[in-house]
Order: sequence, then structure tokens, then C-alpha cells
Amino acid sequence: DQQVKQNSPSLSVQEGRISILNCDYTNSMFDYFLWYKKYPAEGPTFLISISSIKDKNEDGRFTVFLNKSAKHLSLHIVPSQPGDSAVYFCAASRNAGGTSYGKLTFGQGTILTVHP
Amino acid sequence: KAGVTQTPRYLIKTRGQQVTLSCSPISGHRSVSWYQQTPGQGLQFLFEYFSETQRNKGNFPGRFSGRQFSNSRSEMNVSTLELGDSALYLCASSLLSNRGNAEAFFGQGTRLTVV
Repeated sequence: DQQVKQNSPSLSVQEGRISILNCDYTNSMFDYFLWYKKYPAEGPTFLISISSIKDKNEDGRFTVFLNKSAKHLSLHIVPSQPGDSAVYFCAASRNAGGTSYGKLTFGQGTILTVHP
Repeated sequence: KAGVTQTPRYLIKTRGQQVTLSCSPISGHRSVSWYQQTPGQGLQFLFEYFSETQRNKGNFPGRFSGRQFSNSRSEMNVSTLELGDSALYLCASSLLSNRGNAEAFFGQGTRLTVV
């Protein structure tokens, strides 16, 4: 049962344009969401997170939007740079009630390629 | 501040053997989680330790086990290795508040190859 889904395996964007990465989840108990960037044979690098009490969080070029009613989140990267080329994972956790501390459920990832 | 350190970076083992992987979390982080990454299954949660107690466990067979020491360092062990255990094993540490929401910071991983 894939509780977190990234339906686009890959995305190609021109340098300077916006990259939009999407993620859907099915478990309504998830209340904290994160985006990670990953290069091959390395550990994921944390990018940005959002709590379910918010619908938007910004950090520099990265903005995450959360639509709880649609169980959908997206990561916007503006402007996109060639160095952003990597695999992007969304992850979700359920912490209210304290039974899932530290457990992240990941999507399958989206390969982002930013062309110069 | 040092990041999450995993040792060794690479391992080659034979089927039937056992292996122990080590993880040193970021100083002050008390939660350590382990994940397995394979091409077919993606990143999957193995287990999480907090203050030397396993608080959560993923859907992996009992051959996969772990522990955490009083200094928050953690080890995971895989016994009777199978070819399908070949994967990148990732450790993550978190500074969890009472609300539980905190980012997990990952180490570089240990690449295990079972032959």
C-alpha cells in the first residue's frame, strides 16, 4: 500500500524557470511533510518541511504548498538551477498522538533535470 | 557541527553471513532511524530508536534488528544475509520535540552488496 505517491518519475525544466514537483498521500493521519533532495549513493538532504496546520512554507527558492482536502503537496523551485538536478523525495509522518515518532513514509521520488 | 556518520561506507558479504552497520547521530539528537533503499522498493523504514528503546518498526523480517546505546549511537544487524538484502542502508537522526515534528538528517549511507 503506497501511502505517499509521486506520480511523475521525472521532470525536465529549463534553467531559470519554475520546477513544480508533486506528491499525493492517502493517509489522513499524516500531519507533517518534508521534501528531500538526493544524489546517487548519498543520503537524502533535507530541503523544507510543512506542518498540517499550514498551507505554505517558504525558504529561499523553495516553497512547499499543502492542500489537506486534496491530500496533495507540491514543491516549487524558483528559479531552477542546474545544480538542482537530483532526485526529489517527499515524505510524510504522523506525530499527533505520539505513535509514529521518527518514522517517515517516502514517495518513490522524481528525477529533476534542469537544463542550462 | 558534525553530521550523521555511518560506517562502513561499503560492504561486500556472502549469502548466509551476518553484518553490523553503525551510525553516530548528530550531537544532541536522541532519535535514530534506519531506512533501506533499493531500486524496486524505494526508501523503506526499518526501525526507530529513542533513548535506547525501539519505538517503531517497519515491515521487515526478524533477521533485521538494531539497538541504540546510551550515547545515542546505533547499530543495525542483518543475519543470514540474502541476495535481496543488497541495498543502501541509511541512518537518520532527529531532534524530536514533545510534539514529535522534526526534520530527519541522513548520513551518507552504507552500500551493502550480498554475493
